[in-house]
Amino acid sequence: EIVMTQSPATLSVSPGERATLSCRASQSVNYNLAWYQQKLGQAPRLLVYDTSTRATGIPARFSGSGSGTEFTLTISSLQSEDFAVYYCQQYNNWPQTFGQGTKLEIK
Amino acid sequence: EVQLVESGGGLVQPGGSLRLPCVASGFTFSSYAMSWVRQAPGKGLEWVSVISGSGGSTYYADSVKGRFTISRDNSKNTLYLQMNSLRAEDTAVYYCARTVTNEGYRWFDPWGQGTLVTVSS
Repeated sequence: EIVMTQSPATLSVSPGERATLSCRASQSVNYNLAWYQQKLGQAPRLLVYDTSTRATGIPARFSGSGSGTEFTLTISSLQSEDFAVYYCQQYNNWPQTFGQGTKLEIK
Repeated sequence: EVQLVESGGGLVQPGGSLRLPCVASGFTFSSYAMSWVRQAPGKGLEWVSVISGSGGSTYYADSVKGRFTISRDNSKNTLYLQMNSLRAEDTAVYYCARTVTNEGYRWFDPWGQGTLVTVSS
């Protein structure tokens, strides 16, 4: 099973600034990676799939990059509604696995 | 609008059983694989099971294999998760999620609001 490791566990950023979240796979997952946002008490929401393709309705300030074992989700100019927990998920190998999450909090 | 609504959660004793339905609307249900993903309190996400659009193929996480059964009724646009021999470690919010397939099962979009299952005596 591929282990996904996200860093940092908690990221404190001021509104309007840029946030960079990292996700590392224990072995290559090629470009088969997705990112989800989960707000408190809500279900996860798909943000990005195939490493860098934004899901329908996701603002352009969310961008994904990377390949192989190293991936990044960047949120430019943070808005108040962006403070949440973010998860990466690989679907290159069976079973699909998630990272443990990065909590993005207001600084 | 695509919508997924889970129900059936609650408090159950260890060793007990529970069945979770998930009613889908707003899309052609039979054309999509569907999954269950769970989240223990304060923890991350864990994929549990997936079923193909026809219902002919099913897969399970090792942690639930032999105890949980996924099924679907395409005439009712409903996905099910039958959970038997429940353990304390099965306590979680259970989400159903439409699953994108392309040479394999890929990402989950959208997700239902979840239903809480608590296994405790």
